[in-house]
Amino acid sequence: NAGVTQTPKFQVLKTGQSMTLQCAQDMNHNSMYWYRQDPGMGLRLIYYSASEGTTDKGEVPNGYNVSRLNKREFSLRLESAAPSQTSVYFCASSEDGVIAVRGFSYEQYFGPGTRLTVT
Amino acid sequence: AQKVTQAQTEISVVEKEDVTLDCVYETRDTTYYLFWYKQPPSGELVFLIRRNSFDEQNEISGRYSWNFQKSTSSFNFTITASQVVDSAVYFCALSEADAGGTSYGKLTFGQGTILTVHP
Repeated sequence: NAGVTQTPKFQVLKTGQSMTLQCAQDMNHNSMYWYRQDPGMGLRLIYYSASEGTTDKGEVPNGYNVSRLNKREFSLRLESAAPSQTSVYFCASSEDGVIAVRGFSYEQYFGPGTRLTVT
Repeated sequence: AQKVTQAQTEISVVEKEDVTLDCVYETRDTTYYLFWYKQPPSGELVFLIRRNSFDEQNEISGRYSWNFQKSTSSFNFTITASQVVDSAVYFCALSEADAGGTSYGKLTFGQGTILTVHP
């Protein structure tokens, strides 16, 4: 049981290059999330997916696209990387989602993170 | 819009001291969920506790305790007899619910408090 896995762990891009961050979970969770962590700003939600086939914007979606490929996998794509996207990216999953329980919110399980530098 | 404030950027204590991490939140919803997560030096976020808005009972788990006060919109975290292994970044987070009390896990994080426990 690997939990939440992310690839790659580190990446350096030049401005304008594109890349996809991969995330997979093996806990049969409904919801998956992408966050970015910047110094002094905590984690901010980029996109989330409450179920297979659905995605929705979070707090900071500009410059990113996502795909919920199946229940296990949720990818984050940077089409044209910018220095402002230098950050640590975390994927997470939880049992929350369209089949969520009323009056309860599940904890999220986080991946190890991807450290992205855009020069 | 919801907001979480952790005013203490960094705290430094000596082992065996008690330490309280403050968390103040803002939300217009009557149903919401509060969380604490720990991010050790390894980088992965680890869930510590969840509290919903209609349960103001305080909780103790070993050396950890949490004080939830709706009247002051605060959800503070106390570590008793701190240890070096408690050194980490601690995040408070808020998740709102829809009118039916269902949460989709869209977390708003505070800025985080860096706790350093010296031997």
